[in-house]
Amino acid sequence: DQQVKQNSPSLSVQEGRISILNCDYTNSMFDYFLWYKKYPAEGPTFLISISSIKDKNEDGRFTVFLNKSAKHLSLHIVPSQPGDSAVYFCAAKHSGTYKYIFGTGTRLKVLA
Amino acid sequence: ETGVTQTPRHLVMGMTNKKSLKCEQHLGHNAMYWYKQSAKKPLELMFVYNFKEQTENNSVPSRFSPECPNSSHLFLHLHTLQPEDSALYLCASRGESATNEKLFFGSGTQLSVL
Repeated sequence: DQQVKQNSPSLSVQEGRISILNCDYTNSMFDYFLWYKKYPAEGPTFLISISSIKDKNEDGRFTVFLNKSAKHLSLHIVPSQPGDSAVYFCAAKHSGTYKYIFGTGTRLKVLA
Repeated sequence: ETGVTQTPRHLVMGMTNKKSLKCEQHLGHNAMYWYKQSAKKPLELMFVYNFKEQTENNSVPSRFSPECPNSSHLFLHLHTLQPEDSALYLCASRGESATNEKLFFGSGTQLSVL
């Protein structure tokens, strides 16, 4: 049972435009959500996170939106840069635990 | 550099070998994790340790044996693995603060089982 889903395995965006990566979850007991970026043969690096009590968090070019009623979160990258090309994972944490569940990832390619 | 160091970076082993993966964190964190990443699959949580005590075992086969001697070190002992166990094994850690709940990952060990 995949509790965190990233339904788009890949996305291509022109440099300077907006990249929107989506993530859906099924468990209403998740209370914290995170986005990670991963290059091949490296560990994931943290990008941005959001608590379930908020609906938006912004950090520079990165904004995460959370829609709890739809159990959906998205990551917006504006403007997209070629260096943003990587695999992006969303993750969710179970309330009251240290347990984090990850999605399958979306490969973003930013075209110069 | 995330403050989480994994060794070795690459490992090739036969199905009858015994090997160990090592993870060390220099962040003063209390929780440590093992994740497995296979091709086209999500990062799969394997084990969670909090203050050296195992709090999660995600139905991992017994051929994977974790060890957490202290909050800074985590090992994954491997024996009689199968070729389908070939994957990137990632270690992560997090602190106790409720205001900073992000995981910090190491670079991983790329394991090939022949």
